[in-house]
Amino acid sequence: GENVEQHPSTLSVQEGDSAVIKCTYSDSASNYFPWYKQELGKRPQLIIDIRSNVGEKKDQRIAVTLNKTAKHFSLHITETQPEDSAVYFCAASIPKSGSARQLTFGSGTQLTVLP
Amino acid sequence: KAGVTQTPRYLIKTRGQQVTLSCSPISGHRSVSWYQQTPGQGLQFLFEYFSETQRNKGNFPGRFSGRQFSNSRSEMNVSTLELGDSALYLCASSLEVGEQYFGPGTRLTVT
Repeated sequence: GENVEQHPSTLSVQEGDSAVIKCTYSDSASNYFPWYKQELGKRPQLIIDIRSNVGEKKDQRIAVTLNKTAKHFSLHITETQPEDSAVYFCAASIPKSGSARQLTFGSGTQLTVLP
Repeated sequence: KAGVTQTPRYLIKTRGQQVTLSCSPISGHRSVSWYQQTPGQGLQFLFEYFSETQRNKGNFPGRFSGRQFSNSRSEMNVSTLELGDSALYLCASSLEVGEQYFGPGTRLTVT
């Protein structure tokens, strides 16, 4: 089955700096890559996603890049703010029969933005 | 639209008991997926239901089961609870194929 590796497991940055989280996946059939943000005690929130027919996608301070050849995708957060502090999860989804979808998650990155 | 809701939010059970958790998806969403979240194993896929049919299943023992009703609400059941079943159980809803939106989760503690 699919395997998703996520690095780093913890990341501390100064407010205003950029943060980059990287994930690799094993199954070349994966075609959908969402990123979730989970604050302490709260539900995972979808913050951005990318499909395999696109190389990059941006939404304000957040961007995701995908390299299908290397089976690698990354989350980039610019101008970080203290409220960006949370655990971030990447995920990969392989299309199954009948449009079924199964997300395989990375192990998460604890991002801390220092004021 | 109202978000995904889960009940109960917290639950304490004893080893050997069984438990049923409920998930109400976003209105119009017909797919419901269930995940187990633990500090050691992270977020792991349990199963997905669409139009009352299980169309995908993760690598969990048969003690974990689920179902979906005609109104898309879903339940999952865990029988013969073990200490290792203590976790946050999250459900997520989506349209047939698309972004998954998570509920707040049910925190299950097995003693």
